[in-house]
Amino acid sequence: DVVMTQSPLSLPVTLGQPASISCRSSESLVFSDGNTYLNWFHQRPGQSPRRLIYRVSNRDSGVPDRFSGSGSGTDFTLKISRVEAEDVGIYYCMQSRHWPWTFGQGTKVEIK
Amino acid sequence: EVQPVESGGGLVQPGGSLRLSCAASGFMFSSYWMSWVRQAPGKGLEWVAITNQDGSETYYVDSVKGRFTISSDNAKNSLYLQMNSLRAEDTAVYYCARGTNCCRGQGTLVTVSS
Repeated sequence: DVVMTQSPLSLPVTLGQPASISCRSSESLVFSDGNTYLNWFHQRPGQSPRRLIYRVSNRDSGVPDRFSGSGSGTDFTLKISRVEAEDVGIYYCMQSRHWPWTFGQGTKVEIK
Repeated sequence: EVQPVESGGGLVQPGGSLRLSCAASGFMFSSYWMSWVRQAPGKGLEWVAITNQDGSETYYVDSVKGRFTISSDNAKNSLYLQMNSLRAEDTAVYYCARGTNCCRGQGTLVTVSS
């Protein structure tokens, strides 16, 4: 199975400051159609997870533009330009290139 | 798009069976790969099973192969997960997903315990 490795696993952040989460896959996530199948999810405390970004950099409807995704091949990054209180929770990267689709361990974001 | 509604969870003894259902609306079921994702209490996420639009292709994570069966009824816009030979480690909240767009519903809790 493709292993997804996130860092850091814990990220204390200051409100209004930027934050960045790294995700690395054990295999390339590029498909023959030219797309790269890397997604990001956010789970607030006590809530169901929600997809934020699909195919590396495409924001889902309703996701604020302070969230951005980037990367290629096996290395990816989720950035929050200015952290807000509602951004706390756990962030997961997830690959949908190889079955079984797999998630990273999660990065817990909390306010300092 | 209306949130999917998962149902069918509950408390079951080890070795028992459950059938989960997911009712969705607002999109053409038959146009998407559909799948089940689970989250054990206090743990991360695991993609469990997936089926293509007409059910001709299904894939399972190794830990459920031979025990779980995913199916869909496009006419009813419904997805199912038949779970047999349940184990304690199958205890989780189960969500259905359209493509990679998980987990818009509240999920359904499956607890396997004697």
